[in-house]
Amino acid sequence: EVQLVESGGGLVKPGGSLRLSCAASGFTFSSHSINWVRQAPGKGLEWVSSISSSSNYIYYADSVKGRFTISRDNAKNSLYLQMNSLRVEDTAVYYCARQDRGSYDYWGQGTLVTVSS
Amino acid sequence: DIQMTQSPSSLSASVGDRVTITCRASQSISSYLNWYQQRPGKAPKLLIYAASSLQSGVPSRFSGSGSGTDFTLTITSLQPEDFATYFCQQSYSTLGTFGQGTRVEIK
Repeated sequence: EVQLVESGGGLVKPGGSLRLSCAASGFTFSSHSINWVRQAPGKGLEWVSSISSSSNYIYYADSVKGRFTISRDNAKNSLYLQMNSLRVEDTAVYYCARQDRGSYDYWGQGTLVTVSS
Repeated sequence: DIQMTQSPSSLSASVGDRVTITCRASQSISSYLNWYQQRPGKAPKLLIYAASSLQSGVPSRFSGSGSGTDFTLTITSLQPEDFATYFCQQSYSTLGTFGQGTRVEIK
């Protein structure tokens, strides 16, 4: 069974940092691109970042470029999102999602990041 | 960047109704269009990929159509579990932009 489990969310002050993790199981992690998608409270989905299977290709939304860093460790079947210089508007549930044939076919349950003073 | 616009933003329907949601891209995206369903408090679920391909395990009452810039998600005979929010997403570019969502509510 394919599973993606996010962790690392919490409450952080503006300007602070947080590192999210996504633990994958049930599939060949090293064969898939993985994405981070976030959802602010009561709002829609926002694509945040993408990393290819071998980390050769990395992309960011303009809203997080220069502040967030995506990475992965295929030996540990894990994905990460280092978030620095956090802003109030970064408050959201963050999902990791597996990419297959261009679509996101499996999602984690999400982890809540709250940026507030 | 490619912008995705869904309509309507919300709709009210009854069990058994036929529901149609549209999604328009700001430029041609061929058939690189996906549809997701999100129930309250849950992660999104893939329904349709490549504009018209039904994801495994998704009921056949869901269907997708369109290409280029205009796309449609149709639910025939709406069921109680279908009351949710639906999002389109383009996968033409790596920046996988989502539409703003369409909330389907019970009439």
